[in-house]
Amino acid sequence: DIQMTQSPSTLSASVGDGVTITCRASQHINKWLAWYQQKPGKAPNILIYKASTLQSGVPSRFSGSGSRTEFTLTISSLQPDDFATYYCLQYLTYPYTFGQGTKVEI
Amino acid sequence: QVHLVESGGGVVQPGRSLRLSCVASGFSFVSYGFHWVRQAPGKGLEWVAVISSDGENKYYADTVKGRFTVSRDTPKSTLYLQMDSLRIEDAAVYYCATVDRTEGTPLDWGPGTLVTVSS
Repeated sequence: DIQMTQSPSTLSASVGDGVTITCRASQHINKWLAWYQQKPGKAPNILIYKASTLQSGVPSRFSGSGSRTEFTLTISSLQPDDFATYYCLQYLTYPYTFGQGTKVEI
Repeated sequence: QVHLVESGGGVVQPGRSLRLSCVASGFSFVSYGFHWVRQAPGKGLEWVAVISSDGENKYYADTVKGRFTVSRDTPKSTLYLQMDSLRIEDAAVYYCATVDRTEGTPLDWGPGTLVTVSS
């Protein structure tokens, strides 16, 4: 199975800050990577797919990059609504695997 | 508008069985595959299983293979997850989600149902 390693596990930031989250795959996954945002008590919501394509309706302050084994999610200017937990997901092959998550807190 | 609602969660003893349901509405059920994803209390997301739109193809996480079975009932627009030989570590909120028809990613999610495994 493909292992996904996310870092950091927790990130403290302020409104207006730019932040970057990293996800590494244990083997090449080309660009078959998605990013999800999850708020407490809610289901996840997809932000980005194919490593860098923004899902419809997602604000442009979110961006993704990377390929093969190394990927990043960047939030250019944190807004109050962005404080949440973020997960990467590889979907090259089953079983799909998530990263451990990154909590972005104030 | 996609609407998914899971049910069937509850408290169950280790070794027993439970069947979760996910009722879909607002879209063409037969056109979509579905994922099951779970989240243990205070932990991260874990992909569990997927079933194709025609029900012919199913894949499972290694942690549940041989114990869980995913199925679907088209006339009822309902997805199921049969969970047998439950373990303490299966305790989680279980979400169903549609399979994005282009990417294969979980796209639209239900609110989840909580399964507690305890003696």
